[in-house]
Amino acid sequence: IQLTQSPSSLSASVGDRVTITCRASQGISSYLAWYQQKPGKAPKLLIYAASTLQSGVPSRFSGSGSGTDFTLTISSLQPEDFATYYCQQLNSYLLTFGGGTKVEIK
Amino acid sequence: QVQLVQSGAEVKKPGASVKVSCKASGYTFTSYYMHWVRQAPGQGLEWMGIINPSGGSTSYAQKFQGRVTMTRDTSTSTVYMELSSLRSEDTAVYYCARQQQLVMGAFDIWGQGTMVTVSS
Repeated sequence: IQLTQSPSSLSASVGDRVTITCRASQGISSYLAWYQQKPGKAPKLLIYAASTLQSGVPSRFSGSGSGTDFTLTISSLQPEDFATYYCQQLNSYLLTFGGGTKVEIK
Repeated sequence: QVQLVQSGAEVKKPGASVKVSCKASGYTFTSYYMHWVRQAPGQGLEWMGIINPSGGSTSYAQKFQGRVTMTRDTSTSTVYMELSSLRSEDTAVYYCARQQQLVMGAFDIWGQGTMVTVSS
């Protein structure tokens, strides 16, 4: 199963609403997760089961979607949110990640 | 606290093998599947495979079949990933990651990463 993220990069300002999309090559129900990765660090789980916020993650992050189309939304971008975001499908035992979306400061 | 601590950076020559360790603490080691993910410099995340620490069963991404071996030692709560026949394209940071105890759970705990450099 292939995952296509868009855009591959974006520039935004603090306070902006940001939306990242992830499209699966076939239906994956709600078996999708989102991660945030900062340079030199391991990825951090933000959202699992497409829309469930991981414990400790700020509520400005939200996820939605099912089947083949998913979105990650940051309602009001904060300075610490500038990072690369990856989606991951867990529908099949052969797991895959999207190509990533780099969120940069405008 | 729950954590995964990986072994240190490695430099290997082409054709050699590397074995990376990942020591778990703060939870019941045999209750959570463990995965290995790698990331080449400036690139995205690539899933390599999974090991069930309870029984030791494994499943590998097709790309790594025949070159990767994942094992575990329950006495030390450690999983290992060995990659053989190394080539320059295997230069990457290698992560272990714990899978949530859910149907199709995500990766909630990650190791700090181990840099493996393959160079002649």
